[in-house]
Amino acid sequence: EVQLVQSGAEVKRPGESLKISCKASGYNFTNNWIGWVRQMAGKGLELMGVIDPKDSDTRYSPTFEGQVTISADKSITTAYLQWSSLEASDTAMYYCAIVAGGRFDPWGQGSLVIVSS
Amino acid sequence: QSVLTQPPSVSGAPGQRVTISCTGSTSNIGAGHGVQWYQQLPKTAPKLLIYDDDNRPSGVTDRFSGSRSGASASLAITGLQAEDEADYYCQSYDDGLFGGVFGGGTKLTVL
Repeated sequence: EVQLVQSGAEVKRPGESLKISCKASGYNFTNNWIGWVRQMAGKGLELMGVIDPKDSDTRYSPTFEGQVTISADKSITTAYLQWSSLEASDTAMYYCAIVAGGRFDPWGQGSLVIVSS
Repeated sequence: QSVLTQPPSVSGAPGQRVTISCTGSTSNIGAGHGVQWYQQLPKTAPKLLIYDDDNRPSGVTDRFSGSRSGASASLAITGLQAEDEADYYCQSYDDGLFGGVFGGGTKLTVL
């Protein structure tokens, strides 16, 4: 079964760093891109960026360029999303998903990030 | 402001048929890029419902169907059930944005 399992909820202070993970299993990790999607409370889905685990080729949506870093470690079939300095506005649910044929499927269960002083 | 435009909400009584529209432009849906639809039940991750305009993944009921015309697409739900109450999102690829774009989402209320 193709599955993405994400790391758990995080509560952080503004200015702190954070790296959340997305562990893939059940398929060849280097065959498909992985995307990260933000969903703020009560809001819609926003694509943050995508990464090709084969060679770590990464593309960011304009809104998120320079704000986050997406990476992947193919030796442990895991993709990451990280911040160097969190802000309160980063509070959201974050999803990873396999990107293939233009579609996002399946999705991880989501990682809730809360940034509060 | 999402690249793809959806109505914020739609509603219908059990058993009825509802449609959700998704309007794009010549750089995404109008350019011939396939449209996907996702269902997000409360407090759960989105789930792929329709891909490439009108295809259902295995396990998705045929009460859901998709169509595309020009720069717009539609999701139709027939035989509305209480369990269909969810948020629905369209998604496509945009020539100017690598990876894809989402609509703003539509909340379906079953009356």
